[in-house]
Amino acid sequence: AQKVTQAQTEISVVEKEDVTLDCVYETRDTTYYLFWYKQPPSGELVFLIRRNSFDEQNEISGRYSWNFQKSTSSFNFTITASQVVDSAVYFCALSEAWSGYSTLTFGKGTMLLVSP
Amino acid sequence: EAQVTQNPRYLITVTGKKLTVTCSQNMNHEYMSWYRQDPGLGLRQIYYSMNVEVTDKGDVPEGYKVSRKEKRNFPLILESPSPNQTSLYFCASSLMGAVAQETQYFGPGTRLLVL
Repeated sequence: AQKVTQAQTEISVVEKEDVTLDCVYETRDTTYYLFWYKQPPSGELVFLIRRNSFDEQNEISGRYSWNFQKSTSSFNFTITASQVVDSAVYFCALSEAWSGYSTLTFGKGTMLLVSP
Repeated sequence: EAQVTQNPRYLITVTGKKLTVTCSQNMNHEYMSWYRQDPGLGLRQIYYSMNVEVTDKGDVPEGYKVSRKEKRNFPLILESPSPNQTSLYFCASSLMGAVAQETQYFGPGTRLLVL
């Protein structure tokens, strides 16, 4: 069965620090998709990135970067020079191709608090 | 603006009083889904719909009903709400349901309190 583990329940940093949010997944499928979503204090869920299992290239988008390593079944998310607006709960999620449809298994989330 | 909308955003009700949370998307998406979010449990899928008139149970369907009579709407029905259904509910949609890589886009959430 698929599973997503976000071991860090809560992280607190001071503005401008770099922070990495960990995501470890379990799947028996060879084709799968990984996602990160952001949930700011206002409550909505905002899509950040999707990565497929065949693409292990790291991705950078501004201050955000993602490190996908199949060897360790991890898809970690790094925020460089964190800002107060980055304070949110971040969810990692997995979708397996064998399921035949768009279903997401979420981790329990990591709450990031960035202090000024 | 492409979006998923939910109504109401906040709801307080009493045990046993039937309620419906509406969900609508304007992106012509085939796939729609309902999740609930609870502290320490993350998001769990309640029901999903691959297309009109096609619905199926997710991980936690007990106590909920859904219908998909139109492509854009996917209401969540609680026939007899109980306090353990107090939660934050999200509706989501994606372009095609039959492919695992489709990104799901979420509505703003509905906070439900059942007394």
